Formats: sequence, C-alpha cells, structure tokens
Amino acid sequence: DGGITQSPKYLFRKEGQNVTLSCEQNLNHDAMYWYRQDPGQGLRLIYYSQIVNDFQKGDIAEGYSVSREKKESFPLTVTSAQKNPTAFYLCASSTGTGGLQKLFFGSGTQLSVL
Amino acid sequence: SQKIEQNSEALNIQEGKTATLTCNYTNYSPAYLQWYRQDPGRGPVFLLLIRENEKEKRKERLKVTFDTTLKQSLFHITASQPADSATYLCAPFTGGGNKLTFGTGTQLKVEL
Repeated sequence: DGGITQSPKYLFRKEGQNVTLSCEQNLNHDAMYWYRQDPGQGLRLIYYSQIVNDFQKGDIAEGYSVSREKKESFPLTVTSAQKNPTAFYLCASSTGTGGLQKLFFGSGTQLSVL
Repeated sequence: SQKIEQNSEALNIQEGKTATLTCNYTNYSPAYLQWYRQDPGRGPVFLLLIRENEKEKRKERLKVTFDTTLKQSLFHITASQPADSATYLCAPFTGGGNKLTFGTGTQLKVEL
C-alpha cells in the first residue's frame, strides 16, 4: 500500500540526548514536511523539502535538523538544543508545493522527555 | 500578524443534524483553503480544497464555503453520523513561504 510511514510511534528522550524520528514515503512525492503539534495549538511547520538534497526552515526550526538524501526519506533529528521537545510530530508529503497540493500525513510520533 | 481562528470548544450535535464549523482568518488573503480531518493519535487526512474564486465546494455530505469579504470559511457536514466525530482543521494558503498554515482545529462530537 502507498503511504507514509513514521517510526517509532512512541519515543522517549533523556536530557542532553539527540533523537531521530524516521519518515519514509512510497508515494513518489517530491515534497516532504515535518510538523509539530502541541495540545491546543495548530500544526507548526519545522522543516520542509521540495527536492532531494534541499530543505528549508519552517516557523520553528531551532533545535531541529533534517536531511534529504533520498526522495523517499526525510528524517528529523531533535537535538539537545530543543528544550521543550515533548510533542506529537507529524511527517507529510505532497506531489509539489503550493496551495493546490494536498498533504498526505503519516500516523505521527509522540516524543516525551524522561 | 497572520492569525487563524477555529472554535476551541468542542461542538456536540445529535446524529442526523448538520454540523457547521467555522474558520476565521486575519491579515491573510489566501488563494486557497484546505480542510482536514484528524482522529486522536493519527495524522490529519485531507478532505476538501476551495479556491478564492469559488463560493462553495461539495463532496458527498461535506460542503465548504469561502467568503473572502468576511475572511471566513464554513465547513458543513449534513446528516451527521457518530463516525464523523473527529477534530477538523482548516489550513489557508497564501503563497508566502509556499506553505499551508493550520488552525488549532475544532473537535466535533456526534451523539446518538
């Protein structure tokens, strides 16, 4: 089945630790995104990539890093510089960017701090 | 600054009634606006897209309106069912930054 796979479903981070969230898609989409969702807040864009080996910062990129070495994969690293990492992280993809492009989302990763 | 407002309080309605959800935006002139459905612990799912020159868009029991003068979009579910219970997110697109901006969502509960 085509879709977006995020792993793990739940992740725990110790203080000072970097953790990496996985996002893989087999939809042959060019664009991929990472959003953060906190209770009572809308989805906030962390990073997005329109093409392999290129990505742009979103609204809340500080404390996060990404890579896009393959079209199918867009991993997100939550670094120790992110002081409030507890949130629900969502990966998405689309055929391109622009307002006509609907986003396909993965099922999310809940990150918590130990 | 740009702002999107959706009712933060849950909307409770009876099965069979029409649910109407509101999305207001300020300091925006979106060319398109999308609506998504999100179930607990899951990612959002795309429902409908409406362009600024379209007043209304329909898909089965769903209807979206887009009033650029009022800066408002309304999302209607007719003949609502308990399975429609979820959080509904609106997402205007302005072109600036080439990305969607999501509202906080409104939780809908359809009761028997």
